[in-house]
Amino acid sequence: DTEVTQTPKHLVMGMTNKKSLKCEQHMGHRAMYWYKQKAKKPPELMFVYSYEKLSINESVPSRFSPECPNSSLLNLHLHALQPEDSALYLCASSQGTHGGTRPAGQYFGPGTRLTVT
Amino acid sequence: LAKTTQPISMDSYEGQEVNITCSHNNIATNDYITWYQQFPSQGPRFIIQGYKTKVTNEVASLFIPADRKSSTLSLPRVSLSDTAVYYCLVGAGNTGFQKLVFGTGTRLLVSP
Repeated sequence: DTEVTQTPKHLVMGMTNKKSLKCEQHMGHRAMYWYKQKAKKPPELMFVYSYEKLSINESVPSRFSPECPNSSLLNLHLHALQPEDSALYLCASSQGTHGGTRPAGQYFGPGTRLTVT
Repeated sequence: LAKTTQPISMDSYEGQEVNITCSHNNIATNDYITWYQQFPSQGPRFIIQGYKTKVTNEVASLFIPADRKSSTLSLPRVSLSDTAVYYCLVGAGNTGFQKLVFGTGTRLLVSP
């Protein structure tokens, strides 16, 4: 199984709602990532979990709250979002390095298209 | 993290070979060069990775000159389905993960 799955595919939420995005992988990867991608822009890294511990938070506003319940699951909890937070949210996973500094390729999910109204 | 520069867009026709060049003048000794492909409304997909000289897989080839300040992704005999955005990334992993910083990418349009 070389797939990263994300649910839901689409999400529309109001600015006062609380919702969660879910990501799952069964490749035994110990690093998991959240990215945000606006239309016609490159993906931007938000969070990195390594061995279920938060390793990188790219100064993301607190209305985005990541959670890694176990090595296969990654959640992104959303609360009090703004319309400008509307974007494609991508989850990815990877092994650590292959050895030395050679980076492992990241496997991306199909994303959740989020619209904040 | 080394910054990369790629052409914003390229056009090609089916059956042609496409070469996309990426400039990374401040690449560090430990850095590898990785290319990803992204179709609309999908996550990026790993294509190929290399450190020096030439790497080839079933999808593409990657040419890296001795000074490693640039690299070229070569797609042989492209088809319409190769229309996508191609990202060149430069960096090294650490023991647990890799921080990817995507540049603007190259938007490839393949026409019949």
